[in-house]
Amino acid sequence: DGGITQSPKYLFRKEGQNVTLSCEQNLNHDAMYWYRQDPGQGLRLIYYSQIVNDFQKGDIAEGYSVSREKKESFPLTVTSAQKNPTAFYLCASSIGDRSNTEAFFGQGTRLTVV
Amino acid sequence: GDSVTQMEGPVTLSEEAFLTINCTYTATGYPSLFWYVQYPGEGLQLLLKATKADDKGSNKGFEATYRKETTSFHLEKGSVQVSDSAVYFCALRTGANSKLTFGKGITLSVRP
Repeated sequence: DGGITQSPKYLFRKEGQNVTLSCEQNLNHDAMYWYRQDPGQGLRLIYYSQIVNDFQKGDIAEGYSVSREKKESFPLTVTSAQKNPTAFYLCASSIGDRSNTEAFFGQGTRLTVV
Repeated sequence: GDSVTQMEGPVTLSEEAFLTINCTYTATGYPSLFWYVQYPGEGLQLLLKATKADDKGSNKGFEATYRKETTSFHLEKGSVQVSDSAVYFCALRTGANSKLTFGKGITLSVRP
């Protein structure tokens, strides 16, 4: 079945550590996105990529990094510079850059700093 | 820039009640509009969409009409069920190289 797979579902991190969240899709989509979800704040865009080897900062990129070496994969690293990383992280993908196409979402990773 | 405004929540309804969730938007150009639903602990699922003015999106008894004159895309359902309890997000997308812009979401609870 086609879809987006995020792993792990739950992740615990000690303060000062970097962690990497995985996102893989087999939908053959060009565009991929990372969103952060906090209670009462909706979804905020961290980074997005329209094509392999290219990505752009979203609204809240500070303290995060990404790579897009393969079409299927768009991992997100939460660095120690991110001051408040505890949140629910959602990865999404869509067909290219056409505005009339929807994004498909993974099941999310809940990151907790301990 | 683009923005989406949803009515404040949460909303609590009895089963079989009528549902309206308001959504208005600000955008440059001609956006496509979307409603997504999120069940507890899960990612978002597309509920319905409309890509041009006066289009009506519908799915699972939910409907929303793209009203350009009022820049609105209100979600409605004639008779809600307990299984409709979830968080609902309105979103838009404009132009090329575009990203989805979301509202803050609203939590719907339906009691038996």
